[in-house]
Amino acid sequence: KNQVEQSPQSLIILEGKNCTLQCNYTVSPFSNLRWYKQDTGRGPVSLTIMTFSENTKSNGRYTATLDADTKQSSLHITASQLSDSASYICVVNRITNAGKSTFGDGTTLTVKP
Amino acid sequence: DTAVSQTPKYLVTQMGNDKSIKCEQNLGHDTMYWYKQDSKKFLKIMFSYNNKELIINETVPNRFSPKSPDKAHLNLHINSLELGDSAVYFCASSQVPPSKLGEQFFGPGTRLTVL
Repeated sequence: KNQVEQSPQSLIILEGKNCTLQCNYTVSPFSNLRWYKQDTGRGPVSLTIMTFSENTKSNGRYTATLDADTKQSSLHITASQLSDSASYICVVNRITNAGKSTFGDGTTLTVKP
Repeated sequence: DTAVSQTPKYLVTQMGNDKSIKCEQNLGHDTMYWYKQDSKKFLKIMFSYNNKELIINETVPNRFSPKSPDKAHLNLHINSLELGDSAVYFCASSQVPPSKLGEQFFGPGTRLTVL
């Protein structure tokens, strides 16, 4: 069964600290993995898209890693800011012609001053 | 210059009513989607249209009927609303499907509450 599991479910950190969110998947055949940020009351916004051959991709203070062998990804946030408080969703896509994505249920990050 | 817009943002209605949610994208994309996000924050795809043609139709009740008058619009009509339909509904669009690295852009969501 194609699944995406994220951990932790929620996380609280102090402003300025770093954190790492995890995503494990069993989706196959693999096409790409995405990380989205969803602010409260808003739609998800794409942070990174990674294909099979990419190990690391950065977007500002966000760095995603991918290990396609172990089917694991992480999202590292450096020097967190209050505005980083949001849900972070991992999404994995298969090599199909349709647009079916498999979504994780997200990690809720709270950054406190 | 909103890329993907939805109306209304909030919708409160009684059980048994029929309601519609509208979605428009000005990105020139060929593919549009409807997602449902329930109280557990889990996003599930409902429908996807490519150039006005239905390409994904997940197992949703046939009370839900998408309509795409042109490739910039994908509306969602819901008949005989039930309590379990309460959720946030997101519209999204992309130039190519996500399996082909198409960047997906999401609308702001419509929070539907069925009383």
